[in-house]
Amino acid sequence: KNQVEQSPQSLIILEGKNCTLQCNYTVSPFSNLRWYKQDTGRGPVSLTIMTFSENTKSNGRYTATLDADTKQSSLHITASQLSDSASYICVVVTWLGAWGNQFYFGTGTSLTVIP
Amino acid sequence: DTAVSQTPKYLVTQMGNDKSIKCEQNLGHDTMYWYKQDSKKFLKIMFSYNNKELIINETVPNRFSPKSPDKAHLNLHINSLELGDSAVYFCASRDGDRGPLHFGNGTRLTVT
Repeated sequence: KNQVEQSPQSLIILEGKNCTLQCNYTVSPFSNLRWYKQDTGRGPVSLTIMTFSENTKSNGRYTATLDADTKQSSLHITASQLSDSASYICVVVTWLGAWGNQFYFGTGTSLTVIP
Repeated sequence: DTAVSQTPKYLVTQMGNDKSIKCEQNLGHDTMYWYKQDSKKFLKIMFSYNNKELIINETVPNRFSPKSPDKAHLNLHINSLELGDSAVYFCASRDGDRGPLHFGNGTRLTVT
């Protein structure tokens, strides 16, 4: 069964601290993995996209890693800011050929950054 | 300018009614999607349209019907609304097969 699991479910950190969010998946066949940030009341916004051959990808203070062998990914946030408070969603994508892509969404990690 | 816009933002209606949610994207993308986000924040795809042709239709009730008058619009029509339809519905678009999804800000549907 294709699944995407994220941990922790929620996280509270002090402003300026670093944190790491985890994503484990069983989706197969694998095409790419994406991390999205969803602010309260808004739609998700793409942070990173990684294919099978990419181990690390950064977007500002966000750094995503991918281990396709163990089917794990992490999102590391450096020097957190209050604006980082949001839900972070891991998405694993399969390729269905003529049918296009199938997206599998995790349930997200709710991050709260406090001053 | 908002890239993917949905209307209305909030929709409160009674069971049994028929309602529509509109979505428009000005990104020139050729694929549009509808997602349902439940109370646990889980996003589940409902429909995918490419060049006005349905590609993926997940196991959603046939009370839900996507309608695409043109490449820039994908509206969601729901018949005979039920309590379990209460959720946030997101429209999204994408360019080709590799680009990121661009989401609208969602429509919160409450069925009473």
